[in-house]
Amino acid sequence: GAVVSQHPSRVICKSGTSVKIECRSLDFQATTMFWYRQFPKQSLMLMATSNEGSKATYEQGVEKDKFLINHASLTLSTLTVTSAHPEDSSFYICSALPTGTGGTGELFFGEGSRLTVL
Amino acid sequence: DAKTTQPTSMDCAEGRAANLPCNHSTISGNEYVYWYRQIHSQGPQYIIHGLKNNETNEMASLIITEDRKSSTLILPHATLRDTAVYYCIVRVALMGSARQLTFGSGTQLTVLP
Repeated sequence: GAVVSQHPSRVICKSGTSVKIECRSLDFQATTMFWYRQFPKQSLMLMATSNEGSKATYEQGVEKDKFLINHASLTLSTLTVTSAHPEDSSFYICSALPTGTGGTGELFFGEGSRLTVL
Repeated sequence: DAKTTQPTSMDCAEGRAANLPCNHSTISGNEYVYWYRQIHSQGPQYIIHGLKNNETNEMASLIITEDRKSSTLILPHATLRDTAVYYCIVRVALMGSARQLTFGSGTQLTVLP
């Protein structure tokens, strides 16, 4: 199946700093990527939909100025957590929808990035 | 998208079939049943999906009842590596529009040696 890669897989940062997480589709182009967040023992929660060449669409309750999303190419979306605080510590997961997928196309997920804010 | 109900947890002996149920009594005619799983600290992995016919692939089988109000994911010979949270998701086909997946609580399957 198609491969989606996230980097870094783990990151520890100090409170107040910014952290960038990359999501790459390795063998396909993705016009649309999705960013999820998962807290311990909870399910995935959609944060935002990232569309190549346009602004991301954020879910209700997700601060767009805190979670900056850039989807500058058909194979790369980035999530930047600005001025991170301990409550932002979570498992961040991206998924990608291959361009031109119609019908029942499945989503492909990255391995996830675990952010710990001290 | 229709709501799904799954048991919180299940155990299965290694080598035996694991049968994971999912209720989706409010499913509409154009909604598909998708199954994903998430091994601890990894991203979700697609398993299988179907509309109304039973489906089988190299990973699993999906049995959908005739009224489509419930389904069962079958892992024919469970191994320890199948221990994961299994998510049953019901949604319309993508059909050219980008649609995210909405994850419920899922079923924690533990395969016992």
